[in-house]
Order: sequence, then C-alpha cells, then structure tokens
Amino acid sequence: AQSVAQPEDQVNVAEGNPLTVKCTYSVSGNPYLFWYVQYPNRGLQFLLKYITGDNLVKGSYGFEAEFNKSQTSFHLKKPSALVSDSALYFCAVRVPISGGYNKLIFGAGTRLAVHP
Amino acid sequence: EAGVAQSPRYKIIEKRQSVAFWCNPISGHATLYWYQQILGQGPKLLIQFQNNGVVDDSQLPKDRFSAERLKGVDSTLKIQPAKLEDSAVYLCASREQGQSSEAFFGQGTRLTVV
Repeated sequence: AQSVAQPEDQVNVAEGNPLTVKCTYSVSGNPYLFWYVQYPNRGLQFLLKYITGDNLVKGSYGFEAEFNKSQTSFHLKKPSALVSDSALYFCAVRVPISGGYNKLIFGAGTRLAVHP
Repeated sequence: EAGVAQSPRYKIIEKRQSVAFWCNPISGHATLYWYQQILGQGPKLLIQFQNNGVVDDSQLPKDRFSAERLKGVDSTLKIQPAKLEDSAVYLCASREQGQSSEAFFGQGTRLTVV
C-alpha cells in the first residue's frame, strides 16, 4: 500500500542546535513529496516540496529536506533551531489514483519542541 | 492573493444533530480537498474534487457524510447525523492545475460533538 511514515512522535532539540524530522515513504513510481507545518489552532502551512532534480530542497523559514531514493526517505532539516520552530510537522506524498488523478496522503505528524 | 476560507471556525453540536461546513478555495484552483484531522493524528482525506466532479471519496463515510462543489468553486461538507467520533478539525485545501503544485489549506473548522 502506498503510504508515508513519520517514525518519531516527538523530537526535542535545544535552540541553536541542528534538527532533523524523519519521513519515509512507500509509493510506486517517482514520488512527489511535501512538508507542512501546523501551529496551534491553525491550518497546515506549506514548507517545501520535492518534485524532481536536486536531492536537497530548500524551503521556507530556513528549512531544507533531503530526498534519498535508495532509502525512500525525505527528512526535514534545519541547521540551527529556533524556539519559534516548535510546532507539528507533517510529511506528505502524492499518490496516483484512478482516472489519471492523484491524491495527497499525510503521515501521522511529528511534534518538534525546541528548548531555550 | 486570498487564501482558502473556511467557516465556521468552531462548532459544538449534540450527537445525532446535523452540521455543515463551508469552504471557498483560492480562485482558479481546480482541485479541492476535504480532510478530517482527529486530535493527535495526521489529516485523513475524506473527499477530493476536480472542478465540480468527485475523483476520490473512498474514505468518506457515505451513510452520514456528504459533500458537494456546485459550479466548481465553493464546497460544503455535511454530517447527518453526527456521532461522538466525528469530533475533529475539518480542513479544506485547494490546488491549482499541474503535477508540481502544492496544496494550500484553510484554518479549519473545529467540530465538537457532545
């Protein structure tokens, strides 16, 4: 079955340290991968996406993600975490459905807590 | 550019009552999604429209949930009758045509069924 997994419920990191939020996927064909962030009582905000090309993708707020086809992973990274980065992060993958369309499915989410 | 608009922001109803949510997508976006996000979980796709046609509703509980997108613009999602387990945030998102485009989300409607 086509799916996306986020193996960590929560990631804790000290402010100023690098952070990684993990994501692995299972999809047939070339994956289209996305990261979204959700702050309390807000909708999901788009951070970045991988469609094709360079494996390292840069996005909003200093975040980047590395696509690794052999490991079927798309981990989110930031060189220096800020307290304001504390939020819920979702990895998503676009999968094909009938009729030539595709749909977006999400992982369970990872809560990032950045401590001062 | 205006974002995806949803209303109401919050709704509290008793079980067995009915409720409706409204979504106005970004102008020109052909694809519209309704997701259900239960507390502590990732969003689950309920239904996806391409213009005014349904392309996926495989996870929509059709005995109680219904959705429409008349004229391919605004959309409404209805629950009738509601159950306690329907308590969740209902997110609407839209996306423009094209394989590489990303989806934009509204702020959601938080439904509490008591």
